[in-house]
Amino acid sequence: AQKITQTQPGMFVQEKEAVTLDCTYDTSDPSYGLFWYKQPSSGEMIFLIYQGSYDQQNATEGRYSLNFQKARKSANLVISASQLGDSAMYFCAMRSASGNTGKLIFGQGTTLQVKP
Amino acid sequence: DAGVIQSPRHEVTEMGQEVTLRCKPISGHNSLFWYRQTMMRGLELLIYFNNNVPIDDSGMPEDRFSAKMPNASFSTLKIQPSEPRDSAVYFCASSLSGWGGYTFGSGTRLTVV
Repeated sequence: AQKITQTQPGMFVQEKEAVTLDCTYDTSDPSYGLFWYKQPSSGEMIFLIYQGSYDQQNATEGRYSLNFQKARKSANLVISASQLGDSAMYFCAMRSASGNTGKLIFGQGTTLQVKP
Repeated sequence: DAGVIQSPRHEVTEMGQEVTLRCKPISGHNSLFWYRQTMMRGLELLIYFNNNVPIDDSGMPEDRFSAKMPNASFSTLKIQPSEPRDSAVYFCASSLSGWGGYTFGSGTRLTVV
């Protein structure tokens, strides 16, 4: 069975500091994709970054980077130079290519609060 | 591109009433997903369609829930009869087959009293 685990219900970070949000996953499929989404208090789901299981390099998008450690089945999100607007809920998600199902499953989320 | 469009944004209804949530996916996207978000259960996949065909509805909680996708540009999620425990935010998302990102709508906040 596929599963996404986010063990940090809540995190605090000082403005301008970097923060790492943890995500581990479980799948037996060799081909899969990992995603991070941001959900601010307004409620919308915002796509941040994507990592494919065969990608050789860690994905980066501006201040977001994904620390992909395949052997450990972890896909941590690193936010550099935190800003007050980064305060939100963050979700890790996985999609497996098995049977071309296309299902995207989510972890429970981590609430990040950035302190001024 | 207008993104994924959901309506209504908010819905308050009485227990026992029928509720219909609507979704217009991004033009050209061939996969559509319905999710439900609650504090207790997080984000749950209810059902998804590929090329308008339901592929997996194992997440649909019970027979009171039904979803349709009559064409590539429209989908509905219906709850009949509604119950207070159905209160949640319902998201629709669409994507292209393959590894593209999933784009979410703004969600419908449903309250059943």
